[in-house]
Amino acid sequence: KQEVTQIPAALSVPEGENLVLNCSFTDSAIYNLQWFRQDPGKGLTSLLLIQSSQREQTSGRLNASLDKSSGRSTLYIAASQPGDSATYLCAALDSNYQLIWGAGTKLIIKP
Amino acid sequence: DVKVTQSSRYLVKRTGEKVFLECVQDMDHENMFWYRQDPGLGLRLIYFSYDVKMKEKGDIPEGYSVSREKKERFSLILESASTNQTSMYLCASTEERGVYNEQFFGPGTRLTVL
Repeated sequence: KQEVTQIPAALSVPEGENLVLNCSFTDSAIYNLQWFRQDPGKGLTSLLLIQSSQREQTSGRLNASLDKSSGRSTLYIAASQPGDSATYLCAALDSNYQLIWGAGTKLIIKP
Repeated sequence: DVKVTQSSRYLVKRTGEKVFLECVQDMDHENMFWYRQDPGLGLRLIYFSYDVKMKEKGDIPEGYSVSREKKERFSLILESASTNQTSMYLCASTEERGVYNEQFFGPGTRLTVL
């Protein structure tokens, strides 16, 4: 059964730093992998979606990569800002078209 | 832009009450989902629907039922609310079943059962 893990559970970095959030999955038979952002008490906002045939996707200061063979995806945030503080979740679409979720990484950007 | 709305942001109910949570999407999406989100447990799928009047159980359907009478609306029903159903409930929709199904989420309903 597919499992998705995000480590660390929480991360605190100074403003301006580049940072990487990690997402690993146990079964490489996925259709896509999505990254979401969640602000406290709010719903989820889709950030990037990488199809299984792709290696990476970029949106502004965000870059997500996918390596199916190693079961890993990373979300790279360049020049972090306090407004980037949120919980970031990844989810893998498995062979049954079900999204399998990680528990999230809570990111705090210190001014 | 896709918009997914949920009927309430905050809801307080008493044990044993019947609770209705409503979700509406305005983009003619085929698929709709109900999740609950709890600290330390992440998102868990309760029910989903791929078509009108169609429903399938997710990972934790016990204590819940759903209704999808119209394509744009997906309702989650707690038949007899219990304190362990206190949670954040999130609704989502996607265009079609398949590899391009980016999920769009509503703002969530924080339900407290006393």
